[in-house]
Amino acid sequence: GAGVSQSPSNKVTEKGKDVELRCDPISGHTALYWYRQSLGQGLEFLIYFQGNSAPDKSGLPSDRFSAERTGGSVSTLTIQRTQQEDSAVYLCASSFAGYSNQPQHFGDGTRLSIL
Amino acid sequence: DAKTTQPNSMESNEEEPVHLPCNHSTISGTDYIHWYRQLPSQGPEYVIHGLTSNVNNRMASLAIAEDRKSSTLILHRATLRDAAVYYCIHPLTGSNYKLTFGKGTLLTVNP
Repeated sequence: GAGVSQSPSNKVTEKGKDVELRCDPISGHTALYWYRQSLGQGLEFLIYFQGNSAPDKSGLPSDRFSAERTGGSVSTLTIQRTQQEDSAVYLCASSFAGYSNQPQHFGDGTRLSIL
Repeated sequence: DAKTTQPNSMESNEEEPVHLPCNHSTISGTDYIHWYRQLPSQGPEYVIHGLTSNVNNRMASLAIAEDRKSSTLILHRATLRDAAVYYCIHPLTGSNYKLTFGKGTLLTVNP
C-alpha cells in the first residue's frame, strides 16, 4: 500500500555537478508529475507524463533539466550543471489518469541544496 | 489554476469542528474543486474534491455552494495532526493536471 516514493530525501551538491532525482509512483497510476517548491513559494509545475510520454514539459526551466519515465512507472528528473537557483524541494506526484477529477498523490520530495 | 480566495489563517481547538472557507467566483461549470493540505517538511496531501454535490470521505467533508462560487472544507473533529496549510484550488479544464497553490489557510489547532 505504498504511496509515492522519492529518493534521495535530501541532496547536497556543489554548483556545476549533475544530479538525478528518482520517483516511484503509486502502482497503476498512469499519470506522473514533477513540481518544485522553493522556500516560502508556491508550487511550480515542471513536467507531466502520461505513460512514458511527456505531453507537457513546458515547465522545465531550461535545457539543463530533463526527465524520463520508463515502463510506465519510475521516473527520473536530471539536472545538469546545477546552479544555486536550482535549490528547492522537488516533488513528484501521480494520479490514476491526467484529468481534473483525479486527485494527485504526492511524495515527500527531494530537498536539493546547491552549494 | 484560477484564482481562489482563502483566509490567511484560522485557529481551532482540538476535537472541535473546523470550517475552512474558499471563494472561487470565476469557476467554470466543468472545473472540479480540490482541497490539499501540507504539513511542515512534507509533500502536499490530497484531502477531498468535488464538482457540484457535497462530498464526504474519511478525512473531511466538502460543502459546495449551489452557485459553485464558494465551498467549505469541514474537519469534523480537529486533531493536532490537522495543523497544516490548506489549499483550495480548481484546476482549469484543459490544463487540469497543473496544480498551482496560492497562499492557502494556515490552520492552527490548540490542544
